[in-house]
Amino acid sequence: RKEVEQDPGPFNVPEGATVAFNCTYSNSASQSFFWYRQDCRKEPKLLMSVYSSGNEDGRFTAQLNRASQYISLLIRDSKLSDSATYLCVVTTPGSGGYNKLIFGAGTRLAVHP
Amino acid sequence: DTAVSQTPKYLVTQMGNDKSIKCEQNLGHDTMYWYKQDSKKFLKIMFSYNNKELIINETVPNRFSPKSPDKAHLNLHINSLELGDSAVYFCASSQVGHTDTQYFGPGTRLTVL
Repeated sequence: RKEVEQDPGPFNVPEGATVAFNCTYSNSASQSFFWYRQDCRKEPKLLMSVYSSGNEDGRFTAQLNRASQYISLLIRDSKLSDSATYLCVVTTPGSGGYNKLIFGAGTRLAVHP
Repeated sequence: DTAVSQTPKYLVTQMGNDKSIKCEQNLGHDTMYWYKQDSKKFLKIMFSYNNKELIINETVPNRFSPKSPDKAHLNLHINSLELGDSAVYFCASSQVGHTDTQYFGPGTRLTVL
């Protein structure tokens, strides 16, 4: 089983739509959770952290359910510029007390006019 | 004013050759990483250095040898290149204790023929 699993998509949605992505992780020792965004042929960039209480950043809302080991990202009022691959990321303990990032394969979003 | 830079951006080479990829960050971070993103888009950590000391070494063939001459630089040397080494290699950096917020370089697309 993959450590971080995501629906690969693609999700094709019209501008203005609301779209939700889900992610599950297998390691219950995972400590921190994030969504990164990766545009085509570009590097990943941190979009937002995910907290148990849920958090919002403009049109983006992230939720974490530790009991179910489940993370979600909701995008409201989709824009053309939201088209990208969204990577679910968790940190897990590595050797020597250093954490490492584990990336999901990503969910591709295509927003059309 | 590039934060994390990598050279070269593209690398096309024959099987069996030896090649190096260079990475530099001007963010003052102590921790640097090498990731590999294969054709299935999984981004997997290979190595991590903290202040020139190797702290994460995933199961990577010993044909791959990272070298950190100082904390702003982390180079990756690959011996006897194989077809399966074709991928995009990303360098990243973060502050100590802030593994989550990693800043990625633009990537080096390696093609082994």
